[in-house]
Amino acid sequence: SQQGEEDPQALSIQEGENATMNCSYKTSINNLQWYRQNSGRGLVHLILIRSNEREKHSGRLRVTLDTSKKSSSLLITASRAADTASYFCGTSYGKLTFGQGTILTVHP
Amino acid sequence: GAVVSQHPSRVICKSGTSVKIECRSLDFQATTMFWYRQFPKQSLMLMATSNEGSKATYEQGVEKDKFLINHASLTLSTLTVTSAHPEDSSFYICSAREDTGGGSGYTFGSGTRLTVV
Repeated sequence: SQQGEEDPQALSIQEGENATMNCSYKTSINNLQWYRQNSGRGLVHLILIRSNEREKHSGRLRVTLDTSKKSSSLLITASRAADTASYFCGTSYGKLTFGQGTILTVHP
Repeated sequence: GAVVSQHPSRVICKSGTSVKIECRSLDFQATTMFWYRQFPKQSLMLMATSNEGSKATYEQGVEKDKFLINHASLTLSTLTVTSAHPEDSSFYICSAREDTGGGSGYTFGSGTRLTVV
């Protein structure tokens, strides 16, 4: 990827379980954003965390950012089948570049 | 909220022909837009940054003459794939950055599936 790595590359869980995805990046950032992509569609913005923030919540989403380790995590709590999608972290420093992404499958 | 319209959503063209993809911000101005390419089950690769009224900035390895970008107004950027070949088949996605800087600042189009036969 242009910006970093995400792990796991694929994650399969049961409905109701939590899903955690990690993202590492290479360069300085202004902010880090998480996006969701359903197959063959565009990206939907989920949450943004600024470089001076460490944790942010939005509904069932929790994002952390560790700038010293250049890493971030996305936690989706109480997952639903509708959460099945690919998730990407994007880092912004003028332009937005993405990690490899995690394919999340939530089984009913 | 901010909306970006990208079309066509799908296009099939013959080898050697050119294809134009449009990216339009519907309810905001975007001096800067971005074009990405995505292969199946892979991430989005930034191809170029499109700047209204000036030349686009291409990422390393992206052929400028192959992928022509025009950003003639604050709401429209176009990507033309010239002399398309089967290896150009891919999913192309545009993004527009709001000039006001509100929210995430980046809004994505729904993508264009290009198939070159």
